[in-house]
Amino acid sequence: AQSVTQLDSHVSVSEGTPVLLRCNYSSSYSPSLFWYVQHPNKGLQLLLKYTSAATLVKGINGFEAEFKKSETSFHLMKPSAHMSDAAEYFCVVYSGAGSYQLTFGKGTKLSVIP
Amino acid sequence: NAGVTQTPKFQVLKTGQSMTLQCAQDMNHEYMSWYRQDPGMGLRLIHYSVGAGITDQGEVPNGYNVSRSTTEDFPLRLLSAAPSQTSVYFCASMPAAGYSPLHFGNGTRLTVT
Repeated sequence: AQSVTQLDSHVSVSEGTPVLLRCNYSSSYSPSLFWYVQHPNKGLQLLLKYTSAATLVKGINGFEAEFKKSETSFHLMKPSAHMSDAAEYFCVVYSGAGSYQLTFGKGTKLSVIP
Repeated sequence: NAGVTQTPKFQVLKTGQSMTLQCAQDMNHEYMSWYRQDPGMGLRLIHYSVGAGITDQGEVPNGYNVSRSTTEDFPLRLLSAAPSQTSVYFCASMPAAGYSPLHFGNGTRLTVT
């Protein structure tokens, strides 16, 4: 069984300040974890993925995420927010074990204030 | 490279009407899936397929039908539309290994009145 919880439904930051979007997961097996971004009226785009290599994963557009097994967390970070980062972000877990099913978090909407 | 193509982009139906949402991918992916996205609910899996001739139900399959006759195409059928099916629908595909990321289409916004 697997599940994912995005701890904040909405995060608001000022342009140029750090971004932290929090994600906790549970999984019966060693998981793969993904972050996707969805801009308004668009499909989802992969930001980054963790598949049991380095625990600090770098993605596109300056985002990175840290896998912490002891805390079952996979938080998404960016040192300095840009207006173009305003979007909805989804954390996704996949446990494998012969199943193709991925589990999506409910999403975190990021607002960036000029 | 087209990726995942969904048609139509927008659709309005009356209660009881039927329609098919089309999805095609040109990446030779074995896995294809349909999700619906509703505010505050994230994405919920409707049906998925792991290859031609193989389909299975996801989290919210009721009221929807699928088939997979080719690797490329995975249409989603609404047999008798209901207002509860008003949503944005996304088709997504990935290679056989589930550790690969999903490739998403741009979505179909469906309104049922």
